[in-house]
Amino acid sequence: DSGVTQTPKHLITATGQRVTLRCSPRSGDLSVYWYQQSLDQGLQFLIQYYNGEERAKGNILERFSAQQFPDLHSELNLSSLELGDSALYFCASSGYRVANTGELFFGEGSRLTVL
Amino acid sequence: LAKTTQPISMDSYEGQEVNITCSHNNIATNDYITWYQQFPSQGPRFIIQGYKTKVTNEVASLFIPADRKSSTLSLPRVSLSDTAVYYCLVFSGNTGKLIFGQGTTLQVKP
Repeated sequence: DSGVTQTPKHLITATGQRVTLRCSPRSGDLSVYWYQQSLDQGLQFLIQYYNGEERAKGNILERFSAQQFPDLHSELNLSSLELGDSALYFCASSGYRVANTGELFFGEGSRLTVL
Repeated sequence: LAKTTQPISMDSYEGQEVNITCSHNNIATNDYITWYQQFPSQGPRFIIQGYKTKVTNEVASLFIPADRKSSTLSLPRVSLSDTAVYYCLVFSGNTGKLIFGQGTTLQVKP
């Protein structure tokens, strides 16, 4: 158990819909990362937050948005869903700027299926 | 961020030592070399991280030459449960960004 909690574990929805994925980082971790993993794209870095502020941005689509709240949990919002958005979405947390390490702790992921 | 290149796949047998080499020619001064392991449908798991020379923990060893343009992950006496994808990444100490490449699929056979 990494200490990172993601909900929901599984989600099935239709094209055009909007979903929200939630992540609770490890206790004390200020950084949250979001990754998308699909069969043909591998693990794609989406976005990173540090203590409520966006820290780095990757290949995140404009239809996707994220935020980190004062209690440090994070949400990834996916809208106008397309079939190609079906993937595993991972959240990870780290004590970056505390330990300055590349050791991220990943959650078990949220599997999104768009029909 | 420095791009990493590693073999797409490797086969080994139980009890053997496995060495996976990764190249990162454009590594910057503030970058660290980091390795992760991932099993199907699970989140990646941190294995080891190093800056130069050799780092060893209870799971693996990481060898980094002086020029830091490559690194080798060494897994001693692998077992069937070590069958997984292994990712070599360069972690930016400046940005905190961690970009995954294609990874190496290691298949351990009995």
